[in-house]
Amino acid sequence: NAGVTQTPKFQVLKTGQSMTLQCAQDMNHNSMYWYRQDPGMGLRLIYYSASEGTTDKGEVPNGYNVSRLNKREFSLRLESAAPSQTSVYFCASSEATGPNYGYTFGSGTRLTVV
Amino acid sequence: GNSVTQMEGPVTLSEEAFLTINCTYTATGYPSLFWYVQYPGEGLQLLLKATKADDKGSNKGFEATYRKETTSFHLEKGSVQVSDSAVYFCALSRVNNDMRFGAGTRLTVKP
Repeated sequence: NAGVTQTPKFQVLKTGQSMTLQCAQDMNHNSMYWYRQDPGMGLRLIYYSASEGTTDKGEVPNGYNVSRLNKREFSLRLESAAPSQTSVYFCASSEATGPNYGYTFGSGTRLTVV
Repeated sequence: GNSVTQMEGPVTLSEEAFLTINCTYTATGYPSLFWYVQYPGEGLQLLLKATKADDKGSNKGFEATYRKETTSFHLEKGSVQVSDSAVYFCALSRVNNDMRFGAGTRLTVKP
């Protein structure tokens, strides 16, 4: 029962480098999300995908792009990494959109930009 | 806008002590409310939820009641264990794709 799988678990980038964070879920969920977690700030939504074929900006989208590759997979891309993007990134999924649905989270990617 | 405020930590308790973690919210209308738990090195896990006023969510001995009159959703457990040591997040969802999280409260339970 894998749930939400994120890769890689850890990454160090130099300023200006690019990378893609991968996320896959095996629960047949329709909606997927990318959050970043910073100390003392809780989680902030970067981008989300309400359903396959759609993506929308969240609270902090600048410097990121996303792709909903299929129903299972939702990737997050940093085109030109900056030290301010040092954070822990979480992918999540939910059965559908709507305020009553809880989220299932992956175990996170710890990214350091130097 | 919609937001959640939870008590600052860290909270340190002895095993079998009573736990309360306060959470209050600001929202238009009637949001759904959630508690998530994050164990070290892991992602958040849904602990419990309540979708309307006066609902009580419960799971693994934890409880929280949706109080509309005080805009609160405090997390309680009657007797904590060492294994409950984690970070607890209160969250609300008012409309689609807008889950808002509090800053988290770290709980440490000592034997």
